[in-house]
Amino acid sequence: EAQVTQNPRYLITVTGKKLTVTCSQNMNHEYMSWYRQDPGLGLRQIYYSMNVEVTDKGDVPEGYKVSRKEKRNFPLILESPSPNQTSLYFCASSSGLVSNNEQFFGPGTRLTVL
Amino acid sequence: SQQGEEDPQALSIQEGENATMNCSYKTSINNLQWYRQNSGRGLVHLILIRSNEREKHSGRLRVTLDTSKKSSSLLITASRAADTASYFCATDRRGAQKLVFGQGTRLTINP
Repeated sequence: EAQVTQNPRYLITVTGKKLTVTCSQNMNHEYMSWYRQDPGLGLRQIYYSMNVEVTDKGDVPEGYKVSRKEKRNFPLILESPSPNQTSLYFCASSSGLVSNNEQFFGPGTRLTVL
Repeated sequence: SQQGEEDPQALSIQEGENATMNCSYKTSINNLQWYRQNSGRGLVHLILIRSNEREKHSGRLRVTLDTSKKSSSLLITASRAADTASYFCATDRRGAQKLVFGQGTRLTINP
């Protein structure tokens, strides 16, 4: 089954404790992206990657890191999480140009930073 | 500036009625996409309409695009309880490989 998976689905952590949210897709997609969703602000893009070893900042990259060492994986790293990073996070992937193709979304990771 | 602002923010109708949601955007686009999100879950792609298209259908969905007014509408006909969800439009920015999502319309279908 074609899908995007994220782990963990729920995470409660404390300020400053490094964490990684994994994202994996099995559709051989070139393009992957991370979003955060907050009430009243909609979805905002954090980082995206157009292919292996090619990443770029989205609209809200501060406090986050990403890497794309393999085509299928695109982990999101929070080196020193802060309470303002409490949010619902989504990973997405698409084949080719994102403007021309639908994005497939993962189920989401709900992160709480205390 | 934000691309893709949906209107209304919330819409509540009776099952069987038609639901119309609107999206406005600010800059030139290549394509516009609509997505659905059930509460707290990942978004699901509904339809993509290209800038040179004016109308597109998919099942009970009808999407229109007016590039002169920088607006799009999503019509869901003969609504069902299962259509209860939030609906988002997403626009690209010419020259940039990213989609920008609006804040969405929360649609409630009452049985």
